[in-house]
Amino acid sequence: AQSVAQPEDQVNVAEGNPLTVKCTYSVSGNPYLFWYVQYPNRGLQFLLKYITGDNLVKGSYGFEAEFNKSQTSFHLKKPSALVSDSALYFCAVRDISPLVNRDDKIIFGKGTRLHILP
Amino acid sequence: EAQVTQNPRYLITVTGKKLTVTCSQNMNHEYMSWYRQDPGLGLRQIYYSMNVEVTDKGDVPEGYKVSRKEKRNFPLILESPSPNQTSLYFCASSLLTGPFGPGQGPWGTEAFFGQGTRLTVV
Repeated sequence: AQSVAQPEDQVNVAEGNPLTVKCTYSVSGNPYLFWYVQYPNRGLQFLLKYITGDNLVKGSYGFEAEFNKSQTSFHLKKPSALVSDSALYFCAVRDISPLVNRDDKIIFGKGTRLHILP
Repeated sequence: EAQVTQNPRYLITVTGKKLTVTCSQNMNHEYMSWYRQDPGLGLRQIYYSMNVEVTDKGDVPEGYKVSRKEKRNFPLILESPSPNQTSLYFCASSLLTGPFGPGQGPWGTEAFFGQGTRLTVV
């Protein structure tokens, strides 16, 4: 069964340091992978996605993520953290079952709270 | 402006009193979905719809109903709410992904989310 794991409930990083938020996945077919960010009292905002092609994908607000097929990972990264990056981050996978099943689910990890310390 | 609109944003109700949370999108998306967000559990999919009159259960459908009579609207109905349905609810929409529907694609499209509805059942 498809699943997404975010092994860290919380990540603390000093402002200006690089940050990584981890995500691993399990799907039956081709993985379509996403990162979303949630600020307090807001809905989820799309950050970036991996569909095919380059393993390093770039997204909004200077974030990027690296797709690693052998490790089934899709870690979110940023070279230099800002205090304003503090938020809840969700990794998600969109799993398309074979055509005959006509299934299309978006599955989210449990989220990682990122704290950027001034 | 492209958006997903949920109403109400906040709702306090009593056990057993039927309620509906509305969701509307203006992007002509085929796919719509409801999630609930609970601490430590992330987002869990309740129901989703791949087009008008097509709905499917997600991971936690018990106690909920949905309908998709029009492409833009996807209301979430709680026929008899219970305290364990106290949660933060999100509606989302996206283009259909994969080899379904007209045009055979696109693949891997991202979802757009509403602002959320915080429901408390007492």
